[in-house]
Amino acid sequence: QLHLQESGPGLVKPSETLSLICSVSGDSINKGDYFWAWIRQPPEKGLEWIGSINSDGTTYYNPSLKSRATVSLDTSKNDFSLKLTSVVAADTAIFYCARDMGFGELSFSFWGQGALVTVSS
Amino acid sequence: EIVLTQSPDFQSVTPNERVTITCRASQGIAIALHWYQQKPGQSPKLLVKYASQSVSGVPSRFSGSGSGTDFTLTINGLEAEDAATYYCHQSSSFPRMHTFGQGTKLEIK
Repeated sequence: QLHLQESGPGLVKPSETLSLICSVSGDSINKGDYFWAWIRQPPEKGLEWIGSINSDGTTYYNPSLKSRATVSLDTSKNDFSLKLTSVVAADTAIFYCARDMGFGELSFSFWGQGALVTVSS
Repeated sequence: EIVLTQSPDFQSVTPNERVTITCRASQGIAIALHWYQQKPGQSPKLLVKYASQSVSGVPSRFSGSGSGTDFTLTINGLEAEDAATYYCHQSSSFPRMHTFGQGTKLEIK
């Protein structure tokens, strides 16, 4: 059974870079035609897709965040990461990593439990 | 950018009722529309994929319909455990983009 687990600092200062890692267990991250994604949810608000990456390193980003977000893959550690630069208080959210169903099916079938990141000085 | 608008934002219902949640897309998306359930403190769970396709392990009381711009999630025989917020999600391939509806909170009386 695939398991995703987010990790990273829970508190980031304004203007700094938010960094999170999604550790994947139960399957190889470079196996199959899957996209691995980051999705965030501000407290008491809805879901926002940040970006996705597949095993060959192809990335897609939400245009509203593209200039600040970077998603990368580390196949040696079987994980993928998110960096979000120049954060502001509005970036405070629960960050989820997720995987789609693969082979062209783009619904998110697996999710991590989420990591709360607060942007505050 | 495709915008998804759900209705209602909030609904209070009694057990065993039939519940319908709608999701309208700002432009046609064929059947690239998925539904999730999110309970407090939990991550979202996929309920229905590609408008009407069932997902393994999801109770049969959850079903979806629609295509183009108008979609519906139906819960038949509502149970107390169905109290949650429900989100629709569209997944476009070209360009690759995902957007979510604002959510519908379901309260069980």
